[in-house]
Amino acid sequence: DAKTTQPNSMESNEEEPVHLPCNHSTISGTDYIHWYRQLPSQGPEYVIHGLTSNVNNRMASLAIAEDRKSSTLILHRATLRDAAVYYCIPNAGGTSYGKLTFGQGTILTVHP
Amino acid sequence: GAVVSQHPSRVICKSGTSVKIECRSLDFQATTMFWYRQFPKQSLMLMATSNEGSKATYEQGVEKDKFLINHASLTLSTLTVTSAHPEDSSFYICSARDVRGNQPQHFGDGTRLSIL
Repeated sequence: DAKTTQPNSMESNEEEPVHLPCNHSTISGTDYIHWYRQLPSQGPEYVIHGLTSNVNNRMASLAIAEDRKSSTLILHRATLRDAAVYYCIPNAGGTSYGKLTFGQGTILTVHP
Repeated sequence: GAVVSQHPSRVICKSGTSVKIECRSLDFQATTMFWYRQFPKQSLMLMATSNEGSKATYEQGVEKDKFLINHASLTLSTLTVTSAHPEDSSFYICSARDVRGNQPQHFGDGTRLSIL
């Protein structure tokens, strides 16, 4: 599995953008980059995934570096409900194939 | 959206009891489900991969006789913690993979297991 490096924690103010970085320098050419988040006492929730191109959905945007060794999850306007642990996970073979290996993730705190 | 239901959400029982946790995919079929364990302030650790109609695949260090997995249908996998002891107390989470592919994995809300 590709190793990932994420900041242990980040803070943001409500309604401000948040950029959550992830380094995955050992990612293989066929690994997708997945982002999940986990709210307290809940199971993880899918956020977004991508392979090479930047991706947008209703929750967030994913910016992937040209060399694919890093990516950034962008929350355009943070809300209090976005406070969670965010996990960046390279995953083999597409969105749902392969086991997900969770690292320590980034704890995001959102201040009102 | 796709939903995975996990039941029960919380269990408190005495040492030596066996506990069964159910994981159901409610609006999609899942040939593969995954079982994770999460200790306080730690990340999720994959325990095993549950395959419909065949034996589960366990991660290194996970005792298959201790954590029995059954995946008898495309919408249900069960994890039984046999003869549970206090060290088995943890947050158990399942996820399911849609057979159609090209879909994200969906997670249950977890089961908080406390062994007294």
